[in-house]
Amino acid sequence: DVQMTQSPYNLAASPGESVSINCKASKSISKYLAWYQQKPGKANKLLIYDGSTLQSGIPSRFSGSGSGTDFTLTIRSLEPEDFGLYYCQQHNEYPWTFGGGTKLELK
Amino acid sequence: QVQLKESGPGLVQPSRTLSLTCTVSGFSLTSYGVSWVRQPPGKGLEWIAAIWSGGSTDYNSALKSRLSISRDTSKSQVLLKINSLQTEDTAMYFCARSRPYYWYFDFWGPGTMVTVSS
Repeated sequence: DVQMTQSPYNLAASPGESVSINCKASKSISKYLAWYQQKPGKANKLLIYDGSTLQSGIPSRFSGSGSGTDFTLTIRSLEPEDFGLYYCQQHNEYPWTFGGGTKLELK
Repeated sequence: QVQLKESGPGLVQPSRTLSLTCTVSGFSLTSYGVSWVRQPPGKGLEWIAAIWSGGSTDYNSALKSRLSISRDTSKSQVLLKINSLQTEDTAMYFCARSRPYYWYFDFWGPGTMVTVSS
């Protein structure tokens, strides 16, 4: 199975700041990485797929980059609603595996 | 609009069989795949099973011997059974949709919590 490692585990930031979350795969997954946002009481939300393609309806302040084994989710000009948990998922090979999560907290 | 909603028993005894239902609306099960993903308390996400638009299935090999996924297209429901439950199966269980030939999840249900305890 492809192991997905996210960093940092926790991240504190203020509204208006920009942050980056990293995801590293244990082997090459080409471009096939997705990013999700998880918030209590809400359905998980797909943000990015294929490494850098923005899902319909997601604000352009979210962006994804990377290929092979190293990927980054960047959120520019944080809004209050952006705080929560973020997960990466490789969608290159079975079984689909997720990173351990990054908690984005209000500073 | 696209919606998925999980339902289940909440509390199940160890060694019993868990049955979960995902009821979908806004799309057809014959056009999209649906997966089950679980999340133990305070931990990350784990994909466990999928049923594809053509009816074929895939399972996480770590759990495969205990899993069964099926669907009832007339009711727009996807069913998951896990037998020989253990306390480690305590988790939030989500169902999520995949577009054909894409292996990420574009819509998720809110989840249903399952606690395995005597």
